[in-house]
Amino acid sequence: QSALTQPRSVSGSPGQSVTISCTGTSSDVGGYIYISWYQQHPGKAPKLMIYDVSKRPSGVPDRFSGSKSGNTASLTISGLQAEDEADYYCCSYAGSYTYVFGTGTKVTVL
Amino acid sequence: EVQLVETGGGLIQPGGSLRLSCAASGFTVSTKYMSWVRQAPGKGLEWVSVIYSGGTTYYADSVKGRFTISRDNSKNTLYLQMNSLRAEDTAVYYCARTTMGGVMDVWGQGTTLTVSS
Repeated sequence: QSALTQPRSVSGSPGQSVTISCTGTSSDVGGYIYISWYQQHPGKAPKLMIYDVSKRPSGVPDRFSGSKSGNTASLTISGLQAEDEADYYCCSYAGSYTYVFGTGTKVTVL
Repeated sequence: EVQLVETGGGLIQPGGSLRLSCAASGFTVSTKYMSWVRQAPGKGLEWVSVIYSGGTTYYADSVKGRFTISRDNSKNTLYLQMNSLRAEDTAVYYCARTTMGGVMDVWGQGTTLTVSS
């Protein structure tokens, strides 16, 4: 149950796109479609942004999109906005009814 | 309105026990999967445990044998019984409504546990 690997930080100017990677193994990210992404603002609870690799819950802007290739999942934020500045975590099913989160990425809007 | 409210956090000495509660409204806990996730100070999220609608429970290796997840259907409340607490269990504990594949779509505001002498 080792944490999935994410870059510590990414940044972009308003309107630009940023992509956050989430790297695991064939036992978690690479083996299942159950990849989700969460946004967390300081002092707040996490919020679901993407599930099942690329599906968006109702109310999440279509600026947020997800994908997966092999053992790496990705979250892309297009048209970056000031309110997107937050920490982002991926999460994957890891087999045997367990789950694992990523190490987290801080997104900074310049 | 769908809502989760955690209570029960506090300051506990190493080796002690504590039970966290998560009261649900707007949906029925027993018909959903429910998870506990924790976040140590300044650190990332860590999945702790899940209880499936059928009652089956699973745990992270870091808490297996020490923590027990359960629910009271009559109170529509989820619990986390934590025994043999260690300093490394210090964290904000969140409960989350969980769907197939571990999709945590509703979260509580969190309750803080500090394990220290």
